[in-house]
Amino acid sequence: ETGVTQTPRHLVMGMTNKKSLKCEQHLGHNAMYWYKQSAKKPLELMFVYNFKEQTENNSVPSRFSPECPNSSHLFLHLHTLQPEDSALYLCASSQDPRGYYEQYFGPGTRLTVT
Amino acid sequence: KNQVEQSPQSLIILEGKNCTLQCNYTVSPFSNLRWYKQDTGRGPVSLTIMTFSENTKSNGRYTATLDADTKQSSLHITASQLSDSASYICVVSASDYKLSFGAGTTVTVRA
Repeated sequence: ETGVTQTPRHLVMGMTNKKSLKCEQHLGHNAMYWYKQSAKKPLELMFVYNFKEQTENNSVPSRFSPECPNSSHLFLHLHTLQPEDSALYLCASSQDPRGYYEQYFGPGTRLTVT
Repeated sequence: KNQVEQSPQSLIILEGKNCTLQCNYTVSPFSNLRWYKQDTGRGPVSLTIMTFSENTKSNGRYTATLDADTKQSSLHITASQLSDSASYICVVSASDYKLSFGAGTTVTVRA
């Protein structure tokens, strides 16, 4: 058990739907992250939050909207997605956003956009 | 642009055999390098971390090496087991805290 949970584990949605991904960490960490993982490609960092404040947005399209109500919870709101957005979305947390600190990953949400 | 290249993309080995995965990077200035293991359907889990001054680090049957001069790292798996079947990801951290991820090497261990 990594201490980072994600729901749902699988999601199929149409391009006109609105859905949300949820992430919760039970490790007392201050930083949380959203990553996109596509087959055969490196993980792509999407957003970084530190103490609930967004510190990084890696030029992510506005159809992805993050929300961090507190240091333990992170959401990714999805709307009008495209088929190329189908991927594994990973949430992670760490004690500190500096690179030396290990990031602990959740199991991911497998998203399919039809 | 900071990059991390891993090879091979995939490999198949027989149970009990050894294998070595490669990671070359261009990240600068360098802070640390971490190897992650990602089982199917799971998130990545850290295996080892090495800073500039370390050239080898072990975690059970996993041994990582680092040559900061040539910007190369390797992950050696000894006496492979079926549970070693996974994707192994090399992650390099720059001094500005940015992380650069490799695409991973998929290892399949067969009985």
